[in-house]
Amino acid sequence: KAGVTQTPRYLIKTRGQQVTLSCSPISGHRSVSWYQQTPGQGLQFLFEYFSETQRNKGNFPGRFSGRQFSNSRSEMNVSTLELGDSALYLCASSLEGTYSGDEQYFGPGTRLTVT
Amino acid sequence: AQSVTQPDIHITVSEGASLELRCNYSYGATPYLFWYVQSPGQGLQLLLKYFSGDTLVQGIKGFEAEFKRSQSSFNLRKPSVHWSDAAEYFCAVGAPGNTGKLIFGQGTTLQVKP
Repeated sequence: KAGVTQTPRYLIKTRGQQVTLSCSPISGHRSVSWYQQTPGQGLQFLFEYFSETQRNKGNFPGRFSGRQFSNSRSEMNVSTLELGDSALYLCASSLEGTYSGDEQYFGPGTRLTVT
Repeated sequence: AQSVTQPDIHITVSEGASLELRCNYSYGATPYLFWYVQSPGQGLQLLLKYFSGDTLVQGIKGFEAEFKRSQSSFNLRKPSVHWSDAAEYFCAVGAPGNTGKLIFGQGTTLQVKP
């Protein structure tokens, strides 16, 4: 079974631009979570989608948004990029996202650099 | 609020020596506990998990972890470290009802000396 895939793997953007990152979960997984990883803040939860609905959300500004499609693939969007948005963005998928016997599997991440 | 603390930012051990990475959590009930490993430039790989039952759990790559409710700890151990174990290790907590969200510790970087 193929793992979680994320595209693109690397991205360089300029301040003020917007960016869209994509995540394809493991086949059969319906929950997709997004995390931001930075040296200073570590791994922080952005949001989680299940059945095309945002079910949980972290403490990030509204510039960070996401969506999920009927095939469980997910995208996250960051508008009006700031230098501080430079990070590794990780996507994780799980069967149901409720920890009742399942766990999250992570993709390789998208490295975003904002200049 | 839930939190996870990994007291050791950096640990160096000799190849073949035993390893213990510490993790303490703060949560009102028994959470779901995980250990992940991350190699440079890679995503996170699940080593093991604890949901309930036997407090000593076995994982991949020869790792094990012990849940101690009285100490709010979930320490990761390996009896004999290999050079390929050099990586960053993360302890994480999930809570019932807090769907899709893991709270991670700051990570422990393991260096292995030949």
